[in-house]
Order: sequence, then C-alpha cells, then structure tokens
Amino acid sequence: DAEITQSPRHKITETGRQVTLACHQTWNHNNMFWYRQDLGHGLRLIHYSYGVQDTNKGEVSDGYSVSRSNTEDLPLTLESAASSQTSVYFCASSENSYQPQHFGDGTRLSIL
Amino acid sequence: SQQGEEDPQALSIQEGENATMNCSYKTSINNLQWYRQNSGRGLVHLILIRSNEREKHSGRLRVTLDTSKKSSSLLITASRAADTASYFCAITTGTASKLTFGTGTRLQVTL
Repeated sequence: DAEITQSPRHKITETGRQVTLACHQTWNHNNMFWYRQDLGHGLRLIHYSYGVQDTNKGEVSDGYSVSRSNTEDLPLTLESAASSQTSVYFCASSENSYQPQHFGDGTRLSIL
Repeated sequence: SQQGEEDPQALSIQEGENATMNCSYKTSINNLQWYRQNSGRGLVHLILIRSNEREKHSGRLRVTLDTSKKSSSLLITASRAADTASYFCAITTGTASKLTFGTGTRLQVTL
C-alpha cells in the first residue's frame, strides 16, 4: 500500500542548530505540503510544492525552507532553530485540488 | 488567518448519541474537507464536499454545506467510543490544492 512517512518521529535540539525533517511518499503525488500544529492554531501551512523543482511559501514560512528534487521527497529545513519553532510538524500529499490530502504521523520537534 | 473555524471547541457525549460539529469560513471555496485526528497521529480524511454540493454521506457521517452562509456541519450518528478524536474542517480555494484548516473540535465519546 502507498504511504507517507516522516522521520524522525521525535527530535530534541538546541537553538541555532540546523534541523531537517524528512518526508517520503509512495503515492506518486505531485503535490506535497508541510504544516505545523500548535495548540489554539490548528494546522498552519509552512511550504508546499506542486512538483519537482517547484516550491511555494505558505502562511508561516519564515525560518523554514524546502527543496523538491524528486517526486517522493520534500524535506523541511529549519536554518537556525528557534524556540518558537517547537511544534508538531506534519507532511501531506495529494493528487490534485479535488482529492484529499494524505498525512504522515508527524514529527514532534522540541527546541531548547 | 484561519479561514475555517469550528464550533464547539469541545464536545462530550455518551455512546449512541449523535455528535454535530460546525465549521464556518470567510471566503469562496473550491471544496471543503473534514479530517479526523486521533491523539498522537496524523490526520485522516473523512469526507470532501464540493462547492456545488449540499450534502454528502459516508457510513455514519453526514456533511452539509451552505455556501450562502459559508458554513458546513459534520454529523456523526450513533457515536462510538472509537470516534473520540479531534475533527477539523479545511477549505481549498480556486484551483489551489493547499488546505486552510480550522482550529478543530475535540470530541469525547464516553461509554
């Protein structure tokens, strides 16, 4: 069965460090998304991609970057981690705007 | 800013009762989707309703959409303890695939 996997599931790091969260999907979807989930805010879109070499900023993109070198992967990088980026991060993919998104199980990131 | 807002924020019912959650949004939509999230897990898609549809059913789930009021409701009939989760509405606008989520409703179903 097709799936979307995120790694690591949990990570603790220090402020100022670079952190990369992995997202891999086997749905062969062109569309991939990164969200963060915080209490009281629901899920907020960080970055998204509609295909290889395509990336776009979402609602809360400051301090984050993504790159899309193939269909399956969309890694999310925190260039210099800040305590405000402590959150749960979800990756998702979809075939198009008329189809639902499939979500990974999330990465819980703590920045001390 | 959040385009979708759920009401109530939390709901506690007994097994066998019906649960109704409401979602309001602020802009024209392409479609509206409902997702469930169990504790510590990712979101799972429940139902997608297009802007030209008024009602959809899936098993014990019924979703309505009123574009004139910019609102949707999710009804879960004959709730079970396994329905305990957070429920989110999300909208797409135009031809974009990105979702804008509401803040969710936490549903607790007790035996």
